Amino acid sequence: DIQMTQSPSTLSASVGDRVTISCRASQTVSRYLAWYQQQPGRAPKLLIYKASSLESGVPSRFSGSGSGTEFTLTISSLQPDDFATYYCQQYNSFPYTFGQGTRLEIK
Amino acid sequence: EVQLVESGGGLVQPGGSLRLSCAASGFTSSNYAMSWVRQAPGKGLEWVSTISGSAGTTFYADSVKGRFTISRDTTANTLVLQMNGLRADDTAIYYCARERELIDFWGQGTLVTVSS
Repeated sequence: DIQMTQSPSTLSASVGDRVTISCRASQTVSRYLAWYQQQPGRAPKLLIYKASSLESGVPSRFSGSGSGTEFTLTISSLQPDDFATYYCQQYNSFPYTFGQGTRLEIK
Repeated sequence: EVQLVESGGGLVQPGGSLRLSCAASGFTSSNYAMSWVRQAPGKGLEWVSTISGSAGTTFYADSVKGRFTISRDTTANTLVLQMNGLRADDTAIYYCARERELIDFWGQGTLVTVSS
């Protein structure tokens, strides 16, 4: 199985900050990497697919990059609604696997 | 509007069975692969199972293989997860999800609690 490792596990930041979350795969997943946002008590929401493609309706302050085994999610200017947990997921092969999550909290 | 509504969760004793359903609307679910993903309380996301759109090919996580069965009722636009031999570590919110190459839409989930 492909292991997905996110860093950091927790990130403290302020409104307006630029933040980056990293995701590493234990073997190549090409560009089959997605990022999801989960608010407390809510279902996950797709933000980024194919490593860098922005899902329709997602604000442009979210961006993704990377390929192979190293990926990043960047939020260019944090808004209050962005404080949530973020997960990366590889869909290159079964079993699909998720990172352990990065909790983005208000500093 | 795309909607996925899960039902069938609840409290069950270890070794028991539950049948989860997911009613899809706003799209034809047989045209998509569909998945179940679970989340234990306070934990991360774990993929459980996927059924392909056309041929109905199924895939399972090792943790549920041989105990869970995914299926679909195309006439009712419904996805089903039959869960047998439930264990305490199956306790989680179970999300139904649509795939268009990747999981792009999630239902709100149904809670399954396995406890005596």
